Amino acid sequence: AQSVAQPEDQVNVAEGNPLTVKCTYSVSGNPYLFWYVQYPNRGLQFLLKYITGDNLVKGSYGFEAEFNKSQTSFHLKKPSALVSDSALYFCAVRAFTGGGNKLTFGTGTQLKVEL
Amino acid sequence: SAVISQKPSRDICQRGTSLTIQCQVDSQVTMMFWYRQQPGQSLTLIATANQGSEATYESGFVIDKFPISRPNLTFSTLTVSNMSPEDSSIYLCSGGTGNYEQYFGPGTRLTVT
Repeated sequence: AQSVAQPEDQVNVAEGNPLTVKCTYSVSGNPYLFWYVQYPNRGLQFLLKYITGDNLVKGSYGFEAEFNKSQTSFHLKKPSALVSDSALYFCAVRAFTGGGNKLTFGTGTQLKVEL
Repeated sequence: SAVISQKPSRDICQRGTSLTIQCQVDSQVTMMFWYRQQPGQSLTLIATANQGSEATYESGFVIDKFPISRPNLTFSTLTVSNMSPEDSSIYLCSGGTGNYEQYFGPGTRLTVT
């Protein structure tokens, strides 16, 4: 079975500072990893994905994530946080199995960026 | 990115009744899924909607309670049957594309009284 852990329910960052939202995963075989963001009363928006290749992937709105196979982690990062980045962030993993394109989501991390 | 639309966006229903949620996706989508999300919490996959055949349900979800149709590639419906207050949640439709990405609709916020 595949699983995702987001150890922090909330992350607080000052605007302009770097931010990190943590994610670790467990899956059989090669993982496909994703980050989504959800603003209040909205659906999920796709931010970025890791499928294969370079361990550092870049996504929307200046976000990036680093895949670390040995630590089974896929932390989301941004060099300089904005107040508008405040939202709920979900990490998700997919294992390529006979079940197809099934995503398993973490519990989410609320990011709060303050002035 | 794929465009996913859902309706209704929200509804308030009485217990014992049923609600059907519609999802329309654009042509980039190959797979369709239905999720449930308690406000501010994680997503739980209900089922994969299969075109022209029965949906594939996840553990804890059954067809009698959540019948799903997908008559063609770009349209699906989820019915929440015989509702109780425990069914109050946000229901999200998503579409998977050939490059492993999934895109989500805006969700349907259901309140059962």
